[in-house]
Amino acid sequence: NAGVTQTPKFQVLKTGQSMTLQCAQDMNHNSMYWYRQDPGMGLRLIYYSASEGTTDKGEVPNGYNVSRLNKREFSLRLESAAPSQTSVYFCASSDWGQAATNEKLFFGSGTQLSVL
Amino acid sequence: GESVGLHLPTLSVQEGDNSIINCAYSNSASDYFIWYKQESGKGPQFIIDIRSNMDKRQGQRVTVLLNKTVKHLSLQIAATQPGDSAVYFCAENIQGGGNKLTFGTGTQLKVEL
Repeated sequence: NAGVTQTPKFQVLKTGQSMTLQCAQDMNHNSMYWYRQDPGMGLRLIYYSASEGTTDKGEVPNGYNVSRLNKREFSLRLESAAPSQTSVYFCASSDWGQAATNEKLFFGSGTQLSVL
Repeated sequence: GESVGLHLPTLSVQEGDNSIINCAYSNSASDYFIWYKQESGKGPQFIIDIRSNMDKRQGQRVTVLLNKTVKHLSLQIAATQPGDSAVYFCAENIQGGGNKLTFGTGTQLKVEL
């Protein structure tokens, strides 16, 4: 059982380049999330999708866009990368939304992104 | 905005001792709390959770205590083992705010042999 799978695991970008981080979950969860983790700051929510077809901003959405492609997949796009977006990005899913109320998040293994 | 904070950034314990990791929260509307363990280079892994209608919950070697009066949460690890070395995060969910966990900054637990 793979759980939450993120690709790529590592990425180096130049300022201004664009890229998409991919995330897929095989647990049939309703909700999916993107967090970033910076040293000393814990995890901060970028965007989330409470259910297929919906997306909402989190705490730090500027500079990012997301797409809930289907129930399994939730991608994060950086249109014009900036050094401030150097971070570790985690995708997560939970069985929350609609009739489900399980708040527990299951995380992927992360993508380490460096923007030069 | 509201935030979840931790009292100690680093905690060192001897193997076999009990560990206590503390967490303070400031939002009285939070109704769900959860602890995660993160090993180096990996994603956070669920340890234990507790709802605001409970004061204590036990798992395997772990216990979470919730004191709503002083807005304090703690994670107790019994008989700490080298494999427990990791960063531990607490997180809270605000009632009615959707499922958007707010994380603390983490505590590094180091187990000394």
